[in-house]
Amino acid sequence: DIQMTQSPSSMSASLGDTVTITCLASQDIGNYLSWYQQKPRKSPKLMIYGATNLEDGVPSRFSGSRSGSDYSLTINSLGYDDEGIYHCHQYYEYPYTFGTGTKLELK
Amino acid sequence: QVKLQQSGAELVKPGASVKLSCKTSGYTFSSSYMSWFKQIPGQSFEWIGVIYAGDGGTGYNQKFKGKATLTVDTSSSTAYMDLSSLTTEDSAVYFCARDYSLFAYWGQGTLVTVSS
Repeated sequence: DIQMTQSPSSMSASLGDTVTITCLASQDIGNYLSWYQQKPRKSPKLMIYGATNLEDGVPSRFSGSRSGSDYSLTINSLGYDDEGIYHCHQYYEYPYTFGTGTKLELK
Repeated sequence: QVKLQQSGAELVKPGASVKLSCKTSGYTFSSSYMSWFKQIPGQSFEWIGVIYAGDGGTGYNQKFKGKATLTVDTSSSTAYMDLSSLTTEDSAVYFCARDYSLFAYWGQGTLVTVSS
């Protein structure tokens, strides 16, 4: 199975900050990488797909990038609504696998 | 609009089975895929498998073969997941999500608690 190593596991940032979350894939997954935001006791919300594509309705403050096997989610101008857990997900091959999640809190 | 409504929380005894449902509306169920996921609270997701409602064809994570069985009822636009021989390690929230690769639509999750 493809391992997705996600970092950091948790982070705290201030309003207006820029934060970056990273996932490292254990093998090539092309651009078959998506990012989900999950609020407490809620279902995940698709934010980014194809490593860099913004899902409809997601603020342009969110962006995705790729450098080799490293995939990043960047959030600019952090707002209180951005708190939650962010999960990366590879859909290159079965079984699909997820990163371990990054809990983002605002100070 | 697309809706996926999952069945309510379950408290089941070890060794028992449980059948979870995911009732859909707002799209053509019979020509779509439904995927299922497991999430232990505070942890990340595990992909269980996928079913194509058109012909009932399935694909499973090897880890869940023999544990989970996916079915659909196109007459009621509902997807089901049977979980068998439950142990405490099966205690988790289970989600259904439309599609087979990108998941823009999710159910609200069903909490399964396995306890004697």
